[in-house]
Amino acid sequence: SYELTQPPSVSVSPGQTASITCSGDKLGDKYASWYQQKPGQPPVLVIYEDNKRPSGIPGRFSGSNSGNTATLTISGTQGMDEAEYYCQAWDRSTVVFGGGTKLTVL
Amino acid sequence: QVQLQESGPGLVKPSETLSLTCTVSGGSISSTNYNWGWIRQPPGKGLEWIGSVHYSGTTYYNPSLKTRVNILADTSKTQFSLKLSSVTAADTAVYYCARQAIVGLSGRHFDYWGQGALVTVSS
Repeated sequence: SYELTQPPSVSVSPGQTASITCSGDKLGDKYASWYQQKPGQPPVLVIYEDNKRPSGIPGRFSGSNSGNTATLTISGTQGMDEAEYYCQAWDRSTVVFGGGTKLTVL
Repeated sequence: QVQLQESGPGLVKPSETLSLTCTVSGGSISSTNYNWGWIRQPPGKGLEWIGSVHYSGTTYYNPSLKTRVNILADTSKTQFSLKLSSVTAADTAVYYCARQAIVGLSGRHFDYWGQGALVTVSS
């Protein structure tokens, strides 16, 4: 079965750029999506189709996807961005989620 | 604005069947552009997709759960449902329903989510 691998944790200082990676075999051939989840809340879609932002998502969130790696980038990271982030892809008619990355804003 | 709301028992006994319903408001589930999905999250763990249904009746299931899962769409009630049989404590989780956008052959993302329903499996 297809797997997506994320680092368990990433730390960033306020105002700096955070990058969260998601790795999977030929992931660049598929669309990657990213979700933000804060404690006690449902996930929120922040990036879809590799690099598109839903309405209401701040411009500091961006995405890329090439080769075997998709990357979520948060520029000018704010304290409110501290959350768990999940990548997701569609492979052979199944949804696959990455294991999640805890972003800490120190 | 599309809204989704999960409903169903919060406590299920081992070996029984977990049943949840998702009610969709602010839109119809009878669209070719969307599937309707269930995702769960055990306490302190990550997201696990359970399955999705298209209003036409086409279903997609997580292979690891396929033998125990049934997802149906009821277009007349703008609802879709989840049944998970032979549950054990490992099925204890927050269960989310969500709308899944269909983009070409390889794009499937969840753009609207319910608030989630905690289901505990215990005798």
